[in-house]
Amino acid sequence: SQQGEEDPQALSIQEGENATMNCSYKTSINNLQWYRQNSGRGLVHLILIRSNEREKHSGRLRVTLDTSKKSSSLLITASRAADTASYFCATDARGNNRLAFGKGNQVVVIP
Amino acid sequence: GAVVSQHPSWVICKSGTSVKIECRSLDFQATTMFWYRQFPKQSLMLMATSNEGSKATYEQGVEKDKFLINHASLTLSTLTVTSAHPEDSSFYICSASPLRQGFGEKLFFGSGTQLSVL
Repeated sequence: SQQGEEDPQALSIQEGENATMNCSYKTSINNLQWYRQNSGRGLVHLILIRSNEREKHSGRLRVTLDTSKKSSSLLITASRAADTASYFCATDARGNNRLAFGKGNQVVVIP
Repeated sequence: GAVVSQHPSWVICKSGTSVKIECRSLDFQATTMFWYRQFPKQSLMLMATSNEGSKATYEQGVEKDKFLINHASLTLSTLTVTSAHPEDSSFYICSASPLRQGFGEKLFFGSGTQLSVL
């Protein structure tokens, strides 16, 4: 079953702007991950945040996790045209040995 | 970083033929590999979990006789779409979980295979 569910809107922004996307889930998790997918390609792991963490940074990426609201956000700062991709969150539900991926959020960064 | 090689990248076949897709972990061993199917602009749908040396675990609604999975070594899993039909046309992606890494941790993905059945 799909646990992670991103807000469905596609995002189109100008280069240099920040891009924010959200993800919500339904059950208790061990961790939440964000992946990126370029069109017609596989997924690339971006960042993992554990259930006892609230915020994590990696380069231009900032991820937050609110376990009380069962939601996460991914912020890409100072976006670049190369950031154009689909972004998926994935959750590892406790007791379930596999990741459930959300619907994905398509981001287009206009040069 | 860990690399997962998946091929072919794309394949076109006639209806009724079988197609084999390979997923190899190049620089690490993977006890578990996962196979997904993805329709355009949609999320990944887990088809099955492939465990080295044992039978694959299929998700509900996925026909195991239609999608044969073999995980004969710690670095190779194959998915064979048997008697393919146009409705099997899709993007298939594999991922691998490194040996001794806990479940639910980071996965490494292949680049996907676009299957088109005529």
